[in-house]
Amino acid sequence: DAGVTQSPTHLIKTRGQQVTLRCSPKSGHDTVSWYQQALGQGPQFIFQYYEEEERQRGNFPDRFSGHQFPNYSSELNVNALLLGDSALYLCASSLGDNTQYFGPGTRLTVL
Amino acid sequence: RKEVEQDPGPFNVPEGATVAFNCTYSNSASQSFFWYRQDCRKEPKLLMSVYSSGNEDGRFTAQLNRASQYISLLIRDSKLSDSATYLCAGIDSNYQLIWGAGTKLIIKP
Repeated sequence: DAGVTQSPTHLIKTRGQQVTLRCSPKSGHDTVSWYQQALGQGPQFIFQYYEEEERQRGNFPDRFSGHQFPNYSSELNVNALLLGDSALYLCASSLGDNTQYFGPGTRLTVL
Repeated sequence: RKEVEQDPGPFNVPEGATVAFNCTYSNSASQSFFWYRQDCRKEPKLLMSVYSSGNEDGRFTAQLNRASQYISLLIRDSKLSDSATYLCAGIDSNYQLIWGAGTKLIIKP
């Protein structure tokens, strides 16, 4: 049984570019949450998807958008990248509001 | 004030010692709490959920004190492999997982 998977594992972009990160939830999970973790900080909640809709959103600008597909996988899109967007982006899946399990993350570096 | 606060450490502890971390939270509406372990440049991994009655899993014990709004994690007989960052998290009334910044633990031989 595969756990949560994310792709790519590492990514380097330049300011102003756009990026798409992908997440496949753990088998049987229907809810995907995205987090941004800067170095030395705890994860910060970006948003959560359930039934292909954004259910909750944290304090992130509209440059951060997402999508959930019928198979429960999800994408995180970030437009107009800033240097401060450099971070580890974590996807977590759960069955509804139950315990969240994290993928290995995508490390994004913006130059 | 941050919603969830932890002492960042690092805690330098000799192998075999007992170490305890606390984590305070400001939102009394928070419903559920968790301790996660995060190794360097890896994702957080669930260590244990935290119940009001306290719960124990081997060398690890977690407690929730709702009156004082803190959760604790106790590690007994610490091992070198326990070295990591320990993150506490709580689910608020909007079902968002709110995190502390983590406490770094270093176990020394």
